[in-house]
Amino acid sequence: EDQVTQSPEALRLQEGESSSLNCSYTVSGLRGLFWYRQDPGKGPEFLFTLYSAGEEKEKERLKATLTKKESFLHITAPKPEDSATYLCAVHGSAGTALIFGKGTTLSVSS
Amino acid sequence: EAGVTQSPTHLIKTRGQQVTLRCSPISGHTSVYWYQQALGLGLQFLLWYDEGEERNRGNFPPRFSGRQFPNYSSELNVNALELEDSALYLCASSSGQGAYNQPQHFGDGTRLSIL
Repeated sequence: EDQVTQSPEALRLQEGESSSLNCSYTVSGLRGLFWYRQDPGKGPEFLFTLYSAGEEKEKERLKATLTKKESFLHITAPKPEDSATYLCAVHGSAGTALIFGKGTTLSVSS
Repeated sequence: EAGVTQSPTHLIKTRGQQVTLRCSPISGHTSVYWYQQALGLGLQFLLWYDEGEERNRGNFPPRFSGRQFPNYSSELNVNALELEDSALYLCASSSGQGAYNQPQHFGDGTRLSIL
């Protein structure tokens, strides 16, 4: 069964305190892993797509990496505006619909 | 470039009623996806439309249905509303015929509350 598990569920950081979010997945033949950011009351905002183990993508303070079983979203020197829920998703075996994890809610305090 | 737009933003209904939610995809996108985001359950796939056809549906009962119009906009219909249908309903669009290398872009959703 296709499955995406994210950890931790919640993470509190001080401004400037770097950390990583984890996304582990089980799917037959990975065809894309996606990271999204979701602010309260908003839809998910696309961040990155990763396709193969070893691939890395960066955007400002965020860096996403991919292995054969999991992906990490590294946050370097976070700021309060990075506070959001970060969602990980993969294409399911049945088609292009996305299978989402439940997300990690990040809170960054100044 | 305008993003995915959804209407209405909020709806309040009672059990047994019917509701229609609307979605306009990003210009040039032909695939539309519907997801349900209920509290504590995360985003769950509902329906996928491409070029006017339903391509796939998630594990939801038949009272969840929809369609895609020639201009690629889409409607989601929910009949016989139940309390557990209370959720944020999100629409996403992507370019290509559901191509795997195209990210899905989301609207801000319709918040549906069932009393």
